[in-house]
Amino acid sequence: GAVVSQHPSRVICKSGTSVKIECRSLDFQATTMFWYRQFPKQSLMLMATSNEGSKATYEQGVEKDKFLINHASLTLSTLTVTSAHPEDSSFYICSASLGSSDTQYFGPGTRLTVL
Amino acid sequence: SQQGEEDPQALSIQEGENATMNCSYKTSINNLQWYRQNSGRGLVHLILIRSNEREKHSGRLRVTLDTSKKSSSLLITASRAADTASYFCATGLYGNKLVFGAGTILRVKS
Repeated sequence: GAVVSQHPSRVICKSGTSVKIECRSLDFQATTMFWYRQFPKQSLMLMATSNEGSKATYEQGVEKDKFLINHASLTLSTLTVTSAHPEDSSFYICSASLGSSDTQYFGPGTRLTVL
Repeated sequence: SQQGEEDPQALSIQEGENATMNCSYKTSINNLQWYRQNSGRGLVHLILIRSNEREKHSGRLRVTLDTSKKSSSLLITASRAADTASYFCATGLYGNKLVFGAGTILRVKS
């Protein structure tokens, strides 16, 4: 099946620093990638939709200058949390879909802790 | 919010019993999907049912969809301890966007 990886799996950083999270589709080309965040014991909330070669579409309430998304190739999307603060601590999950397919394949997630 | 609701929030059953989880949503959909998440892990896609389908099976899983009531149910038959996880429904909207429900935490006791 389609495999999506994320790196790093865990990251701890100091307040004010920036953190980059990578999402890769390993065995397929993903025209669309999605970024979600999940707080403890809660559901996933879509942050943005990323299409290769174009600007990401952010959901209402998500600051695009704080959460920078780059989708430079059909197999890689990155999420950069800029000037991270403790309230940004969360589980960030990406997913990728194949063309017009309805199914999204999820990465294993990245646990971000901001001290 | 378009986020759906799931019930129960938590379910605890004995191994071998069936588990039923329900999901309700608010908008028109293209499809509805069920995912499973083990603690601290990513999501695993279980099953997708399209808006013109009423029932779908996959192994021990049975999903129903009632678009008139905007609801779906997931039945896991003959549950196993390894089925312990959180289960989420997600409605598939335009542009392949997914809106997730609040989830049901299932615990299967051996």
